[in-house]
Amino acid sequence: QKEVEQNSGPLSVPEGAIASLNCTYSDRGSQSFFWYRQYSGKSPELIMSIYSNGDKEDGRFTAQLNKASQYVSLLIRDSQPSDSATYLCAVPRAGGTSYGKLTFGQGTILTVHP
Amino acid sequence: GAVVSQHPSWVICKSGTSVKIECRSLDFQATTMFWYRQFPKQSLMLMATSNEGSKATYEQGVEKDKFLINHASLTLSTLTVTSAHPEDSSFYICSAHQGVTGELFFGEGSRLTVL
Repeated sequence: QKEVEQNSGPLSVPEGAIASLNCTYSDRGSQSFFWYRQYSGKSPELIMSIYSNGDKEDGRFTAQLNKASQYVSLLIRDSQPSDSATYLCAVPRAGGTSYGKLTFGQGTILTVHP
Repeated sequence: GAVVSQHPSWVICKSGTSVKIECRSLDFQATTMFWYRQFPKQSLMLMATSNEGSKATYEQGVEKDKFLINHASLTLSTLTVTSAHPEDSSFYICSAHQGVTGELFFGEGSRLTVL
């Protein structure tokens, strides 16, 4: 089992819809979870971090964490074509405390069409 | 927010030559920086941890003699790909975070093509 798993997609949604991106992780001890957005040919940029069970909202983005199910998701409301990118889920290396050593999922390609 | 800068953004070199990539933290001091690599259509993989004033630590499977890392100051880490071969062609990205629990910020990345 991979440490961090994502559906690679592609996920296609119409403009204005809600895009739902999912991620599961294997290490029950994980305490921190990150969502990065990566445009083609660019480096990742952090868009959300979540540490506690439940929802965390930031603008059009909502991260949801369920530690019991080892599941973290990212919702993008009112999706825009500019949201089209690869979304990477990441958790700190198993047993590690440094947030610099991240294990990434393979990423979900999101396409928002007008 | 924190800014991490890399140079060069693109580099093309001949097989057998060496290439140096610089990574700078612009508005904070980073005692530790991290080098990742991303092959086409794959996710990021941690290569090594760069430690200011001491030796880098490498992930399993990463050759330390091939990927030389120097972290001579609190704002600069360099990665040198020695005797580069076409299979080393990849997107190399450095990163740093503020403090132990600070969020990780990535540089712009350096795309290496070895002919």
